[in-house]
Amino acid sequence: DAKTTQPPSMDCAEGRAANLPCNHSTISGNEYVYWYRQIHSQGPQYIIHGLKNNETNEMASLIITEDRKSSTLILPHATLRDTAVYYCIVRVRDAGNMLTFGGGTRLMVKP
Amino acid sequence: GAVVSQHPSRVICKSGTSVKIECRSLDFQATTMFWYRQFPKQSLMLMATSNEGSKATYEQGVEKDKFLINHASLTLSTLTVTSAHPEDSSFYICSATTLGDGAQYFGPGTRLLVL
Repeated sequence: DAKTTQPPSMDCAEGRAANLPCNHSTISGNEYVYWYRQIHSQGPQYIIHGLKNNETNEMASLIITEDRKSSTLILPHATLRDTAVYYCIVRVRDAGNMLTFGGGTRLMVKP
Repeated sequence: GAVVSQHPSRVICKSGTSVKIECRSLDFQATTMFWYRQFPKQSLMLMATSNEGSKATYEQGVEKDKFLINHASLTLSTLTVTSAHPEDSSFYICSATTLGDGAQYFGPGTRLLVL
């Protein structure tokens, strides 16, 4: 799996958009970008994934640069419940493929 | 959809006993399940990959005789920690994949405390 680099922590005001960056400069052509988050003492939660086009679902938006070397996860209106560690992982879209978790970004949403 | 459950959510046991943790995919069939371990303030570490009907593949440094994994059906995998010791105390999390989008869906985790 390609390595990813994320800032260790970020703060965001409640109600504002949270933009979480991820660098993956060595990503291969067949690797997807996956985002997960882990709220304290819970299992990780799948958020979104994409290959090269921007993606949006009910939880978040994923913006991938044209060269695919970086991406940004956007939580449009962050709430206190979005406080969690967010993990950016790149891997091939194979159901049998494991996930390698890095350090992630600890997002703190403040009132 | 894509819900994964784990049981128990929390267990306390005496040193030397064995503990079984169940992981179930509730609304989909999972050909592959993964078992992770997470120590406090650390990231998840993969322990083993489990495919239905075959032997699990363990990561380097994980003792297969200590952490027994059984994946008897497409919806159930079990992890048995044999002869547990205090250093096995950790947060154990399973995940399951669907063939569709390749995403992994995680269970809520099991917190094990060995006294």
